Amino acid sequence: DAKTTQPPSMDCAEGRAANLPCNHSTISGNEYVYWYRQIHSQGPQYIIHGLKNNETNEMASLIITEDRKSSTLILPHATLRDTAVYYCIVRVPWSDSWGKLQFGAGTQVVVTP
Amino acid sequence: GAGVSQSPSNKVTEKGKDVELRCDPISGHTALYWYRQSLGQGLEFLIYFQGNSAPDKSGLPSDRFSAERTGGSVSTLTIQRTQQEDSAVYLCASSLTGTDNEQFFGPGTRLTVL
Repeated sequence: DAKTTQPPSMDCAEGRAANLPCNHSTISGNEYVYWYRQIHSQGPQYIIHGLKNNETNEMASLIITEDRKSSTLILPHATLRDTAVYYCIVRVPWSDSWGKLQFGAGTQVVVTP
Repeated sequence: GAGVSQSPSNKVTEKGKDVELRCDPISGHTALYWYRQSLGQGLEFLIYFQGNSAPDKSGLPSDRFSAERTGGSVSTLTIQRTQQEDSAVYLCASSLTGTDNEQFFGPGTRLTVL
């Protein structure tokens, strides 16, 4: 599976949009981009996923570039409860390794008042 | 409804002892996963169950680690002859099927090996 690169940390002001970048320059055509987050002392939580179209749900939006080499997770109105480590993961669906989430180091996001 | 539960929440053991960690997945979820999270290694995949069988055991770090799942529900991760490097948070997750997009994680078991 392709690897991802994320900045180690970023700060965001409460109420503002948080834009979290992820680089996956070696992604292959059948790999999806997934985002999870982990709030301190909790298990990871699924946020969103996509293949090539932009996706939006109640938690966030996912923007994938046309060449699919990078993506951005957008938290539209960050709150203090969004402080967490955010992981960008690429996965091949219905493959032998489908069940395995391969977490990198992620981005530590701190939302400040 | 109830989420994934794990027990114990904390376990302190002496080097060389065996430990068992338990995971209760969400009712009806057929797929179950074990991960561990340590300071030095981040979040690592250990093993994946589909029903009672484990098609992917690739992440088990040594033969001291084993896991089983019975009745397609509860799973137990066993670590024999624990070592200090086994100290970590052991996380369990489940999903409705093995091809589901979302894995639901439990709160983890913090294992400390003295």
